[in-house]
Amino acid sequence: DTAVSQTPKYLVTQMGNDKSIKCEQNLGHDTMYWYKQDSKKFLKIMFSYNNKELIINETVPNRFSPKSPDKAHLNLHINSLELGDSAVYFCASSRGLAGGFSSSGNEQFFGPGTRLTVL
Amino acid sequence: GEDVEQSLFLSVREGDSSVINCTYTDSSSTYLYWYKQEPGAGLQLLTYIFSNMDMKQDQRLTVLLNKKDKHLSLRIADTQTGDSAIYFCAESSKFGAGTQVVVTP
Repeated sequence: DTAVSQTPKYLVTQMGNDKSIKCEQNLGHDTMYWYKQDSKKFLKIMFSYNNKELIINETVPNRFSPKSPDKAHLNLHINSLELGDSAVYFCASSRGLAGGFSSSGNEQFFGPGTRLTVL
Repeated sequence: GEDVEQSLFLSVREGDSSVINCTYTDSSSTYLYWYKQEPGAGLQLLTYIFSNMDMKQDQRLTVLLNKKDKHLSLRIADTQTGDSAIYFCAESSKFGAGTQVVVTP
């Protein structure tokens, strides 16, 4: 069974459209994240939720809105897509806050990524 | 500058040791991490180190942490072609730019 899954794997769309990417984890983790990886492989945190509560909200355009209906899901909705939004988006989860104390290290488990191409 | 910095590229011959270096700025994290990303795949945790340790060994991997200098390194002994990947250093949810490791026969 996949620990962290994302759908879709590939998303090709026109500029100006609205799209959503879904993420689910079956690890029982409390914290979930969205990262953006650009063409140069730079990985940037966008959002993090802990127990359905937003705890990290980096400088991301308002067009990006995360939604966490429950602890196991963190979806990303993007309005009015722009060319610069083209990237691979990774969802991740961890038992607690990455970097915080936990007997198991709080490492993040990543999904396979969603490659978004905006034309 | 960036919160987590690492060199972008490393070329190593099969069988040699690889050393990937990383510096970070925030000393509040309890753990520091190394992740591996193979082409077209997500990141996978390789190893992590508790911030009050200075060394951790896990089979072919050795992590060294110099907390005073905020320097973290990952050594891969007997590097294999399957080790070719991008390696990310991470402090909390901040990631370095990734080091592309290319292993040549």
